[in-house]
Amino acid sequence: QKEVEQDPGPLSVPEGAIVSLNCTYSNSAFQYFMWYRQYSRKGPELLMYTYSSGNKEDGRFTAQVDKSSKYISLFIRDSQPSDSATYLCAIDAGGTSYGKLTFGQGTILTVHP
Amino acid sequence: DAEITQSPRHKITETGRQVTLACHQTWNHNNMFWYRQDLGHGLRLIHYSYGVQDTNKGEVSDGYSVSRSNTEDLPLTLESAASSQTSVYFCASSPDRVSPLHFGNGTRLTVT
Repeated sequence: QKEVEQDPGPLSVPEGAIVSLNCTYSNSAFQYFMWYRQYSRKGPELLMYTYSSGNKEDGRFTAQVDKSSKYISLFIRDSQPSDSATYLCAIDAGGTSYGKLTFGQGTILTVHP
Repeated sequence: DAEITQSPRHKITETGRQVTLACHQTWNHNNMFWYRQDLGHGLRLIHYSYGVQDTNKGEVSDGYSVSRSNTEDLPLTLESAASSQTSVYFCASSPDRVSPLHFGNGTRLTVT
């Protein structure tokens, strides 16, 4: 079993739709949770970063963490064609393992006009 | 603007050659990392550094080395390039051990 499992998609949605992206993890030591967006031929770009259970909102993006269920989600409201990219969840145990990110496999999202 | 720069963007080399990929950041971040990204494996950690003169092995360090002589740079060296090292390489940095990593735009390396 992989330490982080991400719904592989791909996802194709119409413009304006609400998008839900999800990851589950198995290691309860994980403390920090990130979502990155990666456009083709570019590096991962940080979207959201959180370290506690609950919701964190930034514009059209909401990150949700449920540590008891070991489940994280990213919601995108009013999706735009410019949101078309690969979305990666990443998890960090922190402490002496800081920076040793465990990534999901990525979900390819296409938002069509 | 502060940034993280990787060079070259693309590199083709032959098996057995030594190759060095450059990573330079102007944020004055203490921590720097090298990851590789491959289809089917996602992003995996190669080496990392928590400060000048500090280097550590990651998950897939065999065949790679790094050195950290100043804050801004963490070059990645492939001692004897192998076809299995064909990949996209990403450098990342962060200021401390509670902040998220910020990535560069990658170097696409092909070993023929």
